[in-house]
Amino acid sequence: DSGVTQTPKHLITATGQRVTLRCSPRSGDLSVYWYQQSLDQGLQFLIQYYNGEERAKGNILERFSAQQFPDLHSELNLSSLELGDSALYFCASSVGEGGFYGYTFGSGTRLTVV
Amino acid sequence: AQTVTQSQPEMSVQEAETVTLSCTYDTSESDYYLFWYKQPPSRQMILVIRQEAYKQQNATENRFSVNFQKAAKSFSLKISDSQLGDAAMYFCAYRSKSNQFYFGTGTSLTVIP
Repeated sequence: DSGVTQTPKHLITATGQRVTLRCSPRSGDLSVYWYQQSLDQGLQFLIQYYNGEERAKGNILERFSAQQFPDLHSELNLSSLELGDSALYFCASSVGEGGFYGYTFGSGTRLTVV
Repeated sequence: AQTVTQSQPEMSVQEAETVTLSCTYDTSESDYYLFWYKQPPSRQMILVIRQEAYKQQNATENRFSVNFQKAAKSFSLKISDSQLGDAAMYFCAYRSKSNQFYFGTGTSLTVIP
C-alpha cells in the first residue's frame, strides 16, 4: 500500500455520462497530481494541485475538471464521456509543490466507457 | 516542449544478469530532474531512482543505477543481478522547471528464470 488511495478501482459507464474519481493523498503530502494512462498515449499529465490551489496544467480536456478540497483529497470529474476516454487514471502525491523527490502513485482507477 | 523517448518497447534478461534500459530526452532547460518508475502487473507505479541534472555523479539505489549523460541528453537505467520481481514496465520521466512531468512510452522488461 503506497498510502495514496484511489476510488473506485474500476468504473464502467456509457458514453455521454459523467463520473467522479476520488484520490486521497499520502499522509503529509500537499500536492496531488492526476495522470491518464492509455494504450496509445502513454502516461499523460493532466493537472496538479498544491494545498487546494491549481499549480500546473497539462493535456487536460475542457470536459475534465478537478479540485482539491481542504482535507487535501482531490476529485477528477470527467463529463460527456467518449469511448476514447477509456483509460487508467492515476493519482499521485508529493510532499512539496515541486515533486523533486518523485511521486507516490495510487493504484489507479480503470475507466471503461462503453 | 520536452519529449522523452524510450526506444526499446521490450527487453528481456536472464535472471542474475545485467540489463540496461535506454532513455533519451529533449529539452532546452539546464536544470531539471529525471526519474525511472517501475509499473509491475499490479499496475502500481513505483519510483525506482531519481537524478538531479546539476549533479554529475550517477545515482545508485542498490541494484539499480543510472548512466546520466547530460550533454547527450541520455539517462539509461542499469539493473544488476536481475530478479524475477524486476519484471515490469519501466518508465523514464522528466520533470521540467514548470513542474510538469513528461513520461516515456515505457519498456517492458521480462526476466527469464
